Amino acid sequence: EVQLVESGGGLVQPGGSLRLSCTASGFTFSDYSMTWVRQAPGEGLEWISSISSSGGAMYYADSVKGRFTISRDNAKNSLYLHMNSLRVEDTAVYYCANNPHWGQGTLVTVSS
Amino acid sequence: EIVLTQSPGTLSLSPGERATLFCRASQSVSNNYLAWYQQIPGQAPRLLISGASSRATGIPDRFSGSGSGTDFTLTISRLEPEDFAVYYCQQYGGSPPWTFGQGTKVEIK
Repeated sequence: EVQLVESGGGLVQPGGSLRLSCTASGFTFSDYSMTWVRQAPGEGLEWISSISSSGGAMYYADSVKGRFTISRDNAKNSLYLHMNSLRVEDTAVYYCANNPHWGQGTLVTVSS
Repeated sequence: EIVLTQSPGTLSLSPGERATLFCRASQSVSNNYLAWYQQIPGQAPRLLISGASSRATGIPDRFSGSGSGTDFTLTISRLEPEDFAVYYCQQYGGSPPWTFGQGTKVEIK
């Protein structure tokens, strides 16, 4: 069974940093590109970043470019999202995804 | 950036009725790489359709997708109680960003 489990969310002050992790199981992780999608409270879905299977290509939404970094460790079946210079508007549930599989999400709250 | 506009914003229907949801792109979606998702409150999105018309594994055949270019449709032939949810389209063709529409809520009338 495919599983994607996010972790690392929590409460952080504006300007702070956080690293999200997504641990994958049930499929050959290194064969697939991976994606982070977020959803602010009461809002719709926002694609924010994707990474190729090898990690050699990374893509970002303008809203996070220069502040967030996506990475992966294929030996550990893990995907990461390093978030710096966090803003109140980054408050959201963050999902990792590899269609059709999605994790359950981890909540990031940016507040003073 | 391709902007996806979904209509209507809310659809009020009864179980057993047919639901038709629309997604219009601001420019042609490359290779018709258009997906539809269902999201029930408190849950992660679920992929229903990819490539505009291919049902994902395990998705009932009452869900169907159609369209090409800039205009796409998701049809639910007969609404079941578990189908009342929010539906999103997403384009994933060409270069990023791979944008989502703003969603259509299907509610019980």
